[in-house]
Amino acid sequence: GAGVSQSPSNKVTEKGKDVELRCDPISGHTALYWYRQSLGQGLEFLIYFQGNSAPDKSGLPSDRFSAERTGGSVSTLTIQRTQQEDSAVYLCASSLQTRSNEQFFGPGTRLTVL
Amino acid sequence: AQSVTQLDSQVPVFEEAPVELRCNYSSSVSVYLFWYVQYPNQGLQLLLKYLSGSTLVKGINGFEAEFNKSQTSFHLRKPSVHISDTAEYFCAVSDARTTSGTYKYIFGTGTRLKVLA
Repeated sequence: GAGVSQSPSNKVTEKGKDVELRCDPISGHTALYWYRQSLGQGLEFLIYFQGNSAPDKSGLPSDRFSAERTGGSVSTLTIQRTQQEDSAVYLCASSLQTRSNEQFFGPGTRLTVL
Repeated sequence: AQSVTQLDSQVPVFEEAPVELRCNYSSSVSVYLFWYVQYPNQGLQLLLKYLSGSTLVKGINGFEAEFNKSQTSFHLRKPSVHISDTAEYFCAVSDARTTSGTYKYIFGTGTRLKVLA
């Protein structure tokens, strides 16, 4: 079956522009996670969704970052007024709703802010 | 608060040699432990996980890991590596308490395994 998909795969934008990153989780997975992967920094947790609600937004770096999920499926991560330090690979993962289940990761969106 | 430490950022090893990738965690509560692998230009995939029971966990591609509660470690091992094992390996921890309201996973910074011919 289909895995987690993300679009676009690459995004180059100018400083100050807004960007939207999209994640399509595996069907039936109620949990959805966004991470940021920077060189040498590992995976930085951004936000977690349980269904359409986000009980844990503790990882969002600033108020320029926001995310939503609709219909318990697709999620979008929006970065407003992008800065060069936002350049990274943004990963989405989904899982069944228990802590013991593995997360299935998408291929990521590589964001470059010029 | 939970944290995960992967002290080795890079590990070079010759083909067919054994390897151990270290992972230590810090947590005041019971945890689940995971190892994920990221092959070049690919997404992360699960190698193995420890939930409970036997402390020695076997995963895919001949990898295994041992949970050591007293040392708060979950080191990953393989007795004989192949060129194809060249990848980045991430250790992760999640809260195992049934009463916990968080589903957050904490990842380490990763260890880049480079297998040399």
